Order: sequence, then structure tokens, then C-alpha cells
Amino acid sequence: DTAVSQTPKYLVTQMGNDKSIKCEQNLGHDTMYWYKQDSKKFLKIMFSYNNKELIINETVPNRFSPKSPDKAHLNLHINSLELGDSAVYFCASSQDPPARGNEKLFFGSGTQLSVL
Amino acid sequence: RKEVEQDPGPFNVPEGATVAFNCTYSNSASQSFFWYRQDCRKEPKLLMSVYSSGNEDGRFTAQLNRASQYISLLIRDSKLSDSATYLCVVNGPNNDMRFGAGTRLTVKP
Repeated sequence: DTAVSQTPKYLVTQMGNDKSIKCEQNLGHDTMYWYKQDSKKFLKIMFSYNNKELIINETVPNRFSPKSPDKAHLNLHINSLELGDSAVYFCASSQDPPARGNEKLFFGSGTQLSVL
Repeated sequence: RKEVEQDPGPFNVPEGATVAFNCTYSNSASQSFFWYRQDCRKEPKLLMSVYSSGNEDGRFTAQLNRASQYISLLIRDSKLSDSATYLCVVNGPNNDMRFGAGTRLTVKP
């Protein structure tokens, strides 16, 4: 069983389109994240949710809107896609509250988004 | 100043070498610290947590200096399979797990 699964694995689309990436975790974790890894390989936090509530919202364009229907799911919707949005997007989860050894992040396998 | 800074490398070392990576963080309220490993085109995976007293896992040793806000990772007797990018991760008060840019290691025969 995959602990953190995200779909699709690859997403190729035209500029201006709207797309969504889905993420689900079956670990019973309270906290979920979206990270963006650009061409320079820097992994940057975008959002985190704890029990369906937004905790972290980094300086991300408001074209990006996360949605957490329940604590096992955190989807990412992107409006009006731009060339600069091309990157690998990773979903992750961790247990909360933080305690020694419990903050381990479990990552999905990533979604490679290519905007043409 | 970036919240988590690492030397990006690349580090190219022969098999059997000892190599050390360093990382500094800016938020003194950070609570916990980790090293992750990322192979090409794969998701990051936890290598080890970093404890204040220092900790060792086989050939890997991690150290934390809270006063200097500095974390290190030492790899002894490098193997070809150690080739990867090593990511320093710092967990702040909001459970905001922040990554350094990564240090790329290539171990050569």
C-alpha cells in the first residue's frame, strides 16, 4: 500500500489552462504539505494543512489554491498556468503535534508539471 | 538570508573517502532537525534525525550545535550507492519543515 499517493505523475498542459493535482495519505497523519521543486532542485514549501486547516501559506501566487476536504486529502488547484509553474510538485504528510521522531515527512512520488 | 543554507557542492569523492556536509539555519526557535536523501527524479527520503547529543547510524554521523545554529552530516567509507543529493531539513515552531537547497554528492570508483 502506498502511504502518500499523488496523481497524476506527469502533467503536460498549455499556458492559461487550469489543472489539479490530487494527494491522499493513508497514514492517519494530521499534517499535509505541498512542496515545489524547480529546475534548480530547490525544494520549497508552498502550503501546509493541519486537520483540514491552513497553517502555512508561503508567498505563492493566488493562482494556487489548496483544498483539504478531509485530513487524508490535500489537493492543489492551479489556475491560469504559466511557464514558470513548470516544476515537480511533491505532496507530503507528517504526524502532529511534533514530538521527537514523529516529524518524519512521508512524500508522494511527485507530479512533474510541464507548461508549454 | 535563506532559512536553511547548505553548500550546494558538488562533492566528488572516491570510494572509501570520508565526506562532511554542513548546514546552517536562521530561526533560533527551530525545534528539530533532519537529513534527507534525494536520488535523481525521486522523492526525498529520511536519512536520519539529528539530536542535540549527536547520533550515529552505521557510517553516518549527524551533529547539531544549537548555539551556532549549525548541523552537520559525516559519511565515512563512502560507497557508490551514497551518490545522491543530501538535504538539510529544519522544523520550525509551526511544523513548517524547511529544506536547504541540497548538497550533491558523487562517489566515484
